[in-house]
Amino acid sequence: GDSVTQMEGPVTLSEEAFLTINCTYTATGYPSLFWYVQYPGEGLQLLLKATKADDKGSNKGFEATYRKETTSFHLEKGSVQVSDSAVYFCAPLYNQGGKLIFGQGTELSVKP
Amino acid sequence: DTGVSQDPRHKITKRGQNVTFRCDPISEHNRLYWYRQTLGQGPEFLTYFQNEAQLEKSRLLSDRFSAERPKGSFSTLEIQRTEQGDSAMYLCASSLGLPLGDEQFFGPGTRLTVL
Repeated sequence: GDSVTQMEGPVTLSEEAFLTINCTYTATGYPSLFWYVQYPGEGLQLLLKATKADDKGSNKGFEATYRKETTSFHLEKGSVQVSDSAVYFCAPLYNQGGKLIFGQGTELSVKP
Repeated sequence: DTGVSQDPRHKITKRGQNVTFRCDPISEHNRLYWYRQTLGQGPEFLTYFQNEAQLEKSRLLSDRFSAERPKGSFSTLEIQRTEQGDSAMYLCASSLGLPLGDEQFFGPGTRLTVL
């Protein structure tokens, strides 16, 4: 069935370090791809999205590019801040706007 | 626009009791989704509605679970004869629906604890 695999956490980085969180999905159909973020004690927030091959989603300094050939949607940020500490979820959306399939989440901890 | 709201935010119940949760989506959003999230895991899809029609149900949704969206606005999720394994965060999300937009916006969730 449809699935997504995320890089295991926790990931611990120093402030201003470069961040990559890997995400790959099964290539059933042509899903839209999303990254959601969950800050401590808060609900899920949409971080960014991409809807077709080679699209780049970006928000708050985070970027991810839809790579159809490798079925990947890796999240990157050039310089992380302590305030980026959160759990990040990769989620493809299948069936033309139906259910999101979430990865297990990657916890990021940024130290000053 | 006030976003997706859920009520209650927390519910503690005894095994065997019935519980009902409510979700109010963003106004004008046609689609409404229910997910369940356990500690340390990503949310799992339960069911979703297009207006008042329930379009898909997960195999996770046993016969004890029922969801409704009677007028195409708010939705309720009922769990009958709760079990300890039902303890989780129940999340509601809404979207405009394609072709207008497929982004799902989530509510704060209802945390259920079954004793």
